[in-house]
Amino acid sequence: SQQGEEDPQALSIQEGENATMNCSYKTSINNLQWYRQNSGRGLVHLILIRSNEREKHSGRLRVTLDTSKKSSSLLITASRAADTASYFCATSSGNTPLVFGKGTRLSVIA
Amino acid sequence: GAGVSQSPSNKVTEKGKDVELRCDPISGHTALYWYRQSLGQGLEFLIYFQGNSAPDKSGLPSDRFSAERTGGSVSTLTIQRTQQEDSAVYLCASSRPGATNYGYTFGSGTRLTVV
Repeated sequence: SQQGEEDPQALSIQEGENATMNCSYKTSINNLQWYRQNSGRGLVHLILIRSNEREKHSGRLRVTLDTSKKSSSLLITASRAADTASYFCATSSGNTPLVFGKGTRLSVIA
Repeated sequence: GAGVSQSPSNKVTEKGKDVELRCDPISGHTALYWYRQSLGQGLEFLIYFQGNSAPDKSGLPSDRFSAERTGGSVSTLTIQRTQQEDSAVYLCASSRPGATNYGYTFGSGTRLTVV
C-alpha cells in the first residue's frame, strides 16, 4: 500500500533556483526518509528525519517534518543540472519495511 | 562488498519461463529487502528478511514468486511461469541491524522484460 504521496508529480526549474517537494502520509511513523533515483535504477538514501525532529539539514538539502499534519518537505537549494532525478519519500512504522511514495520527477535546466 | 550487488542487470525472458534474480547485500547487513518498480511508478514491497527470523512475505503478488536467503547473506528471488505483467525493475536493498533507524542501501536493480 502507498503511504507517502509526493507532490508535485513533476517539477521543472532553472539551475540556481530552489526546488521544494512535499510528501504526505497517513499513519504514525518512526521516521521519514528521502531518496533519489537516477535513470530508473537504484535509489540513494539522502536524509532521515525522526518523528521527534522538526527540521534537518544536509549540505544543500533541508527536510522538515510536521507530524500533526502528517507531512514532510524536501528543499534543494541552489539546484544544479546534476540534481535532475526522481525523489521519493519513504516512511518507517514499527519494524516493518519502508513504504515508498510514487515520487517527484525533478528536472533542472541549465 | 562495498555495495549491494544485483545480477543480472538486465534479463529478457519468454512468457512462461522461470527466472532467478540474485542479490548480494553489504556484509554485516542483517536486513534484506526486495521491491519492484514498474515504469514510472513507486516501489512495491515484495519480501523482507531479518536475520534468522521467518521472512515477511506479505508483499509477494502471487505464489509464482518466492525468495530465499542462504546463510544470512545472498538472496535469490525466483519468478515461475513469468507473465508480461511481471516486467519491471526488481530492486534489492540491505540495512544494518536496528534497521528502522537507518536508511537502506539499494543495488542497481535487475530490469526484467517478459516477451
